[in-house]
Amino acid sequence: AQKVTQAQTEISVVEKEDVTLDCVYETRDTTYYLFWYKQPPSGELVFLIRRNSFDEQNEISGRYSWNFQKSTSSFNFTITASQVVDSAVYFCALSEASDYKLSFGAGTTVTVRA
Amino acid sequence: DAGVIQSPRHEVTEMGQEVTLRCKPISGHNSLFWYRQTMMRGLELLIYFNNNVPIDDSGMPEDRFSAKMPNASFSTLKIQPSEPRDSAVYFCASGWPGENTEAFFGQGTRLTVV
Repeated sequence: AQKVTQAQTEISVVEKEDVTLDCVYETRDTTYYLFWYKQPPSGELVFLIRRNSFDEQNEISGRYSWNFQKSTSSFNFTITASQVVDSAVYFCALSEASDYKLSFGAGTTVTVRA
Repeated sequence: DAGVIQSPRHEVTEMGQEVTLRCKPISGHNSLFWYRQTMMRGLELLIYFNNNVPIDDSGMPEDRFSAKMPNASFSTLKIQPSEPRDSAVYFCASGWPGENTEAFFGQGTRLTVV
């Protein structure tokens, strides 16, 4: 069963626009962890942010922010004032405390045009 | 820390040949993951080790695939015999389960089976 759904396949924006990436997850565990990873054209997978299920406080880290809502099982990610270097595939991922496997969504390709 | 180290970075082999991919996790991490990434199927979890023990290999596609983790600092993923449809990027990641964890990925091995 698909545990992580990223409905947006591709997003294209002009530099300096904000980009919000949607992520919906599914789990029966009460303790779980949510992540966002970035995969630039060079191919490596880079960890961006993590959120624990028992902490719904939303935060901002530089140009990145996230909105975690357990009521809707969503973990959305926003890039503020996008730059060309933000062009990449962004993956949402879920890890459940019952087994700690890391399950990824299909990814959203973000293209930032100058 | 050098991060997760995978070798080789690129591998081109002929159909039917045995292929061995190698991974050195980050020291101190007790979980290790092997993923396969293709355009069609995205990031697939193949197998997951915890404390050198395979916990879940349900993602291993066929008996042609096998993975071992003889010690905490080394893992291999073997494909024997290889087929063209095995062509993909194979990622190894390490981490440790728990509240303050994320999986760190290696650079990946791009496998081409001709």
